[in-house]
Amino acid sequence: SQQGEEDPQALSIQEGENATMNCSYKTSINNLQWYRQNSGRGLVHLILIRSNEREKHSGRLRVTLDTSKKSSSLLITASRAADTASYFCATDAGGTSYGKLTFGQGTILTVHP
Amino acid sequence: NAGVTQTPKFRVLKTGQSMTLLCAQDMNHEYMYWYRQDPGMGLRLIHYSVGEGTTAKGEVPDGYNVSRLKKQNFLLGLESAAPSQTSVYFCASRLTVDSLYGYTFGSGTRLTVV
Repeated sequence: SQQGEEDPQALSIQEGENATMNCSYKTSINNLQWYRQNSGRGLVHLILIRSNEREKHSGRLRVTLDTSKKSSSLLITASRAADTASYFCATDAGGTSYGKLTFGQGTILTVHP
Repeated sequence: NAGVTQTPKFRVLKTGQSMTLLCAQDMNHEYMYWYRQDPGMGLRLIHYSVGEGTTAKGEVPDGYNVSRLKKQNFLLGLESAAPSQTSVYFCASRLTVDSLYGYTFGSGTRLTVV
């Protein structure tokens, strides 16, 4: 079963615009992570936000977490063509889950030059 | 800094054949995981290991076996391949469950069962 549901499934924007992707989940979490996957490649960890954090920044990335709504968003500012990829949220329930992550289905982002 | 290395990268099997996928990491990570990725379904956990000599079932373990005899290696076996096991398989590792760096993924093995 998928814990995370991502929205939209696909997003197409022009270079320089901002891209926002949303993730909703069902059960309580210890932390939530975002990953990027370029076509035909493995996933790359972008950012981790803990359940007691509301916002986190890393370069052009901004992640928010609302545990009351069980939702998170990933904002990429000033998008570049190189940001074209699939983006996945993943939840970590903590405790005895042993670091297992449950992934959403992903958002396909296309940034046009 | 090799990170996580998966072999082979591509493989075609006939139904009923067996094979082993190898995952090797050189980061001294304790935790290792095998996922499969299918179109429109994200990644689903097959098996995982919390340390050398340990393994446990994930969300979709049927038809697969694993072993972790050495800390750096995590093997995924298919004893009798079925077309439903056509997928892209990813191995991942993590230093600790509290690591801020999440998973380190391998580049994947694309398996086709005909």
